[in-house]
Amino acid sequence: EAQVTQNPRYLITVTGKKLTVTCSQNMNHEYMSWYRQDPGLGLRQIYYSMNVEVTDKGDVPEGYKVSRKEKRNFPLILESPSPNQTSLYFCASSLRGVNTEAFFGQGTRLTVV
Amino acid sequence: AQSVAQPEDQVNVAEGNPLTVKCTYSVSGNPYLFWYVQYPNRGLQFLLKYITGDNLVKGSYGFEAEFNKSQTSFHLKKPSALVSDSALYFCAVRDTRSSNYQLIWGAGTKLIIKP
Repeated sequence: EAQVTQNPRYLITVTGKKLTVTCSQNMNHEYMSWYRQDPGLGLRQIYYSMNVEVTDKGDVPEGYKVSRKEKRNFPLILESPSPNQTSLYFCASSLRGVNTEAFFGQGTRLTVV
Repeated sequence: AQSVAQPEDQVNVAEGNPLTVKCTYSVSGNPYLFWYVQYPNRGLQFLLKYITGDNLVKGSYGFEAEFNKSQTSFHLKKPSALVSDSALYFCAVRDTRSSNYQLIWGAGTKLIIKP
């Protein structure tokens, strides 16, 4: 089954404790993104990757890191989480191109206390 | 600047009635337009897209959307609403001249279908 898999689904952590949210897709997609979803703000792109070893900042990259060492994986790293990073996070993948639709993971609800 | 507006935070419709969820956009080039649906505790699912051609696009679950270039709109429609259509709906646009394939998202519209 074609899918984007995120882990964990739910995470509660404390301020400053490094964490990683994993994302894996099995569709051989070149393009992957991370979004955060906050009420009334829709989805905001954090980082994206055009292909292996090619990553770039989205609209809200501060406080986040990513890596793309393999085509299928695109982990999101919070080196020192803060309460304002409490949010619902989505990973998405798609073929490269302006007319392609994105496939989304199930989401990770992160709470930073 | 590129943007997407979904002017209604919430739309309430009685089951069996037609529904419309509104979306307007602003891009510098030509738009590629998308609708996604998010059910509770789930990721976003693709519903339909407008790329080119016929202004009326048909998608999943009986939904359709009409592209109107002069009004820069891409409203989502369904002739007869089901209770199971209750969800959060997002409109997104991508500029055809975009070099980073970024999707610009609306804030979302909560659709509530009442029995």
